[in-house]
Amino acid sequence: GAGVSQTPSNKVTEKGKYVELRCDPISGHTALYWYRQSLGQGPEFLIYFQGTGAADDSGLPNDRFFAVRPEGSVSTLKIQRTERGDSAVYLCASSSSGGRETQYFGPGTRLLVL
Amino acid sequence: SQQGEEDPQALSIQEGENATMNCSYKTSINNLQWYRQNSGRGLVHLILIRSNEREKHSGRLRVTLDTSKKSSSLLITASRAADTASYFCATDGSGSGSRLTFGEGTQLTVNP
Repeated sequence: GAGVSQTPSNKVTEKGKYVELRCDPISGHTALYWYRQSLGQGPEFLIYFQGTGAADDSGLPNDRFFAVRPEGSVSTLKIQRTERGDSAVYLCASSSSGGRETQYFGPGTRLLVL
Repeated sequence: SQQGEEDPQALSIQEGENATMNCSYKTSINNLQWYRQNSGRGLVHLILIRSNEREKHSGRLRVTLDTSKKSSSLLITASRAADTASYFCATDGSGSGSRLTFGEGTQLTVNP
């Protein structure tokens, strides 16, 4: 079946602008994760959803970052007042139930803030 | 913050040789996973090893886990040019819920 998809593939924006990044998890997966990866680094956890609720948002760097998953499927990561330091690849992953099992990753969205 | 550390940071070998990458971590874990990443984009899951397992195989991949030393190794046998990628270990810590904590990765280059 289809894997995790993310849109857009690439996003270029200007400092101070608002951006939304979308993630479509594998159908039926209740757990969804967002990670951020800077150049030359491993991914870093941002937030984890179990169904519609954020079960763990402790990785969000500050209050400019927010994520939603209103119907328990598609998720949107929202970044307000973007800064150049927000430039990174944003990765989404899903797993069937969130119980310490394999997480399947999407291709990522490469965000560049000018 | 990064829990894991991969060793080496970069590895260059010839096609047909074996490649060994190591990962160390700091806290107790439930399981450890290895992922592969091409060109800084999506990660492909390779293998998951649970804390009560010591070794696991999948095709040309062999993963070991030593929880007493808090370390794991990934062996790729008979490497191919197509194995060129970055390889990451990720841990699912016993106190961290379902989040994965990644190391900084090993960049493997397999020369034809």
